[in-house]
Parts: sequence; C-alpha cells; structure tokens
Amino acid sequence: AQSVTQLDSHVSVSEGTPVLLRCNYSSSYSPSLFWYVQHPNKGLQLLLKYTSAATLVKGINGFEAEFKKSETSFHLTKPSAHMSDAAEYFCVVSLRGYGGSQGNLIFGKGTKLSVKP
Amino acid sequence: DTGVSQNPRHKITKRGQNVTFRCDPISEHNRLYWYRQTLGQGPEFLTYFQNEAQLEKSRLLSDRFSAERPKGSFSTLEIQRTEQGDSAMYLCASSGEDGRSGYTFGSGTRLTVV
Repeated sequence: AQSVTQLDSHVSVSEGTPVLLRCNYSSSYSPSLFWYVQHPNKGLQLLLKYTSAATLVKGINGFEAEFKKSETSFHLTKPSAHMSDAAEYFCVVSLRGYGGSQGNLIFGKGTKLSVKP
Repeated sequence: DTGVSQNPRHKITKRGQNVTFRCDPISEHNRLYWYRQTLGQGPEFLTYFQNEAQLEKSRLLSDRFSAERPKGSFSTLEIQRTEQGDSAMYLCASSGEDGRSGYTFGSGTRLTVV
C-alpha cells in the first residue's frame, strides 16, 4: 500500500541556517511526490513536485527536494531559513494509477517548522 | 481566475443540524476533490469528481455526507445530522486532467459543531 512518513513532527532552526525536513514513502508504483506548505489559517500551497523527470526538484521560495529511489526518500531542503518559512509542511504521494484510484493524494502527518531569530 | 474559492470560511453549528459547504474550482480544471483535516493531522481524502461524475468516495464519507457537482463546475458538500466528531477543516482542491501536476487547494471551511 502507498504511504508516506514524515520522520519529524517538529523541526526548529535558527534564521540563516539550513533546513532539512525528512520524508520517506512507500509505493508499489512509480510515485508522484509533492511537498505542500500550510501557513496558519491559510490553504495548502504547492512547493514542488516530482513526476519521474529530474530527481532533483527545485520549488518556490528556495526549497528543493531530491527523489532517491534506493532510499525511498524525498527530503525537503533549503540552504538558509527565513522567518517567513515558519509553517507546517506536508509530504504527499499521489495514488494515481494504483488499484483504479485516479486521483487521491496521501498526506503525511506534517512537520511544523519553527524559525528562531 | 482567483484560484479555488470556498464558502463559508467558518461555520459554527449545533449538533444535529445540517450544513452545506460550497467550492468553486479553477474554471479550466475538470477534477475537484474534497479533503478533511483535523487538528494536528494531514488532510484526508473524502471524495473526488471528474466533471460532474463522482468517481471515488473514501470510507470516511459516511451516509451522513453527500457531495455533488451538478454541472461540472462548483461543488457542494453536505453533512446531515452533524456530530461533534465532524468538527474539522474541510478543504477543496482542483486539478487538470493530469493530477500528477499537483492540486490547487482552497483556504478551507472550518466547521465547529457545538
């Protein structure tokens, strides 16, 4: 069965230091993977997506993620954190093509990123 | 186009009452999805439409829940005889034919059942 595990429920970094949010997935099919960000009281915003093209994916706001099939990982990174990056981040796998399911996304439980001044 | 729009933003209702939420997707998107998000959890899939056809429903969608998309444009989600456990954020998203490109989410409707 498809699933996604976010290894940290809360990550705290200082402004200007690197960010690493970890995600492992399980999929019997070649997956589509996404990272979404959710700021308080706002909707989910797509940061980046992997859909079987380049394994290093660049997204908005300086974030990037690398798809590693051998490690079944899709970790999200940013070289230097800004205060505005403080939010909840969700790693997501698409079930498209699995068992007839055409459309639904499976979300991880989320990682809350705190950025200290 | 201003993205995916959801109304109302907030709804407080008494247990046992019926509520209805509306979602207006991005106009050129033919797929529309409903998700539910409870505190401290990621969104969970409820149902999705391709045009006016409801193609899949989650086991989370009990008989008290019904969703429609009558003309393949906006959608409504109705909850009958609300229970306190229904309190959550209800999110709507839309996508093009190829959902692999990612979904655009609305800001959600926060339901509180008292």
